[in-house]
Amino acid sequence: AQTIHQWPVAEIKAVGSPLSLGCTIKGKSSPNLYWYWQATGGTLQQLFYSITVGQVESVVQLNLSASRPKDDQFILSTEKLLLSHSGFYLCAWSLLGGLENTLYFGAGTRLSVL
Amino acid sequence: GDKVKQSPSALSLQEGTNSALRCNFSIAATTVQWFLQNPRGSLINLFYLVPGTKENGRLKSAFDSKESYSTLHIRDAQLEDSGTYFCAAEASSGSWQLIFGSGTQLTVMP
Repeated sequence: AQTIHQWPVAEIKAVGSPLSLGCTIKGKSSPNLYWYWQATGGTLQQLFYSITVGQVESVVQLNLSASRPKDDQFILSTEKLLLSHSGFYLCAWSLLGGLENTLYFGAGTRLSVL
Repeated sequence: GDKVKQSPSALSLQEGTNSALRCNFSIAATTVQWFLQNPRGSLINLFYLVPGTKENGRLKSAFDSKESYSTLHIRDAQLEDSGTYFCAAEASSGSWQLIFGSGTQLTVMP
């Protein structure tokens, strides 16, 4: 069974519409959770990280927000999408306090904003 | 400028040959990770490195924190090695931020 599950797989949305992307981690206790964004053909930019429930830190400002309502769930959202939000969104996890902070990624959500 | 600079940006190889990818850091990197992104977009973690060397099958990676670089060597390249390779550096020990390079797009040809 997959440790990390992202949904939806892909979205096509209109400019100005709301967005919610989800990520669930199974079988890991208190993982660090991350959201990354990748423009087509580009590098990965970290957006948010969370080390515990209810606590989220922003790395860059892209008119997006994130929440961690449960230990195993990480949500990325916005009330109004911009064209620049198009791209590939990846959720990732690593183990809290481990000697090796190895990062493991989900399969990603491809977002097209029209 | 780029904090994590990867080279080359693209590379084509014949099956069975060897290659080396490199990342140079302008930050004081404490750890490095290498990833392979497949055509579907999934990223697979290849190595997590503190200063030193690791080997896994046909892949070998090294991280020199004093000289601020890391390398990934691919021996006997196979078609399934094709994809985009990213390195990522952790700027301080125990931090929560990885800075990614711009990637090397590798194509292995039969």
